[in-house]
Parts: sequence; C-alpha cells; structure tokens
Amino acid sequence: DIQMNQSPSSLSASVGDTVTITCRASLSLSSHLHWYQQKPGKAPKLLIYAASSLESGVPSRFSGSGYATDFTLTIRSLQPEDFATYFCQQSYSYPRTFGQGTKLEIK
Amino acid sequence: QVQLQESGPGLVKPSQTLSLTCTVSSGSLITDTYYWSWVRQPAGKGLEWIGRIYTSGSTNYNPSLKSRVTISVDTSKNQFFLNLKSVSAADTAVYYCAREAFQRFGELDVWGQGTTVTVSS
Repeated sequence: DIQMNQSPSSLSASVGDTVTITCRASLSLSSHLHWYQQKPGKAPKLLIYAASSLESGVPSRFSGSGYATDFTLTIRSLQPEDFATYFCQQSYSYPRTFGQGTKLEIK
Repeated sequence: QVQLQESGPGLVKPSQTLSLTCTVSSGSLITDTYYWSWVRQPAGKGLEWIGRIYTSGSTNYNPSLKSRVTISVDTSKNQFFLNLKSVSAADTAVYYCAREAFQRFGELDVWGQGTTVTVSS
C-alpha cells in the first residue's frame, strides 16, 4: 500500500491567515493526489483534484500544488467556514489510501 | 447533480453480515465515466477505502478486507451494494458511498451523507 503522511495533524489559525498542509507519499503518485474537506457529522467534500485542479464551486482561496511524492494544500485568507478537517488521498494505485487528516482550528 | 444515499441497518451483531445499499439519484449509475465506491470512517478516525465497482460488475477491493467484502450492483434499480461478512466491533464506522471519476484522476467527486453502523450484541 502507498502510505500517505499528512502534516501537521492539527493546526491553529485565525480568520484571514494563510495556512499550508502537506502530504507526502511513500511512492510517486504523478498527479494522482486529491484534497478533501470534512466538517463534523458531514461527508468529505472534494476541494482539489489532480494535485492542483480546483473542483467546480470551490472558492479560489483554496489551491494545491506538488507532484510525485510531495504535495501541499494552501488556504489563503481563512474564512470561518474553513475550520474543518482536511484529508489527502491518492488514486495512483490500489488500495486507495488517505492521509490521517489535519484538523484546522480557530486560534 | 447526481446524489448518493446510503441505507441499511444501523446495528449488526458480531459475526453477522453487514449489508448496505447506495441509491444513485438525479443521474444514472450506467456510465463509462465513473466507478462506484465504498469508504468507511470509524468515529474520530481517518478514512479507509473499502472498494469499488464498475457498472459491468468489475470490482477492486482493499486487500485488508478482501476476504470479507463483496460489492455488487443492480443497474435496473440504480443501486450498488456493500456486504461485509463476519463483522466485529472493529467494523463499527460511518460508511460512505462515493463516485470515483476514473476518467479524470480517480478523485471521489460525489459522496453520500454516510450511514452509521454499530457492531454490537
């Protein structure tokens, strides 16, 4: 299995801040890396696919970058609704695997 | 926009079989663009991919569950199914069905709301 190492596991920030979450894969994924947002009691929501493509309807303050084994999710100008848990996921091989999650909390 | 909805028993006894249904609405399950997947999440923990099915019936499973899991599809009802046999408390989780856009990059672009399954006697 491809291991996904996501960091940090938790993060405190204020409204208006810019934050970065990283995801490192144990093998090269090319661009088969995706980012999801999950709020308590809700299903994950796709934010970024193919490492850097913004899903339709997702605000442009979300962006992704990276290739092969190292990827980042950046959220600029944090809004109150952005405080949630974020997961990365690889679709390069089976089984699909997820990072352990980053909980973004209000400082 | 296609919608997914999970359904099934919320409580399953240990050693029995967990059976869930995912109903696809506002769209057809019959498509050459998507796979149909199951993902689970124990309370307070991360996400685990269970497996996926194509409308032809072709499947891929997580090796960690492969001996116990079966995913099937009924295109006439626009539904796909998860069966997980010989369950234990470790299978207690929220179970999600999701759509995988395999003709893009394999992202899970549509999710059901999830259904909680508790394994307990």
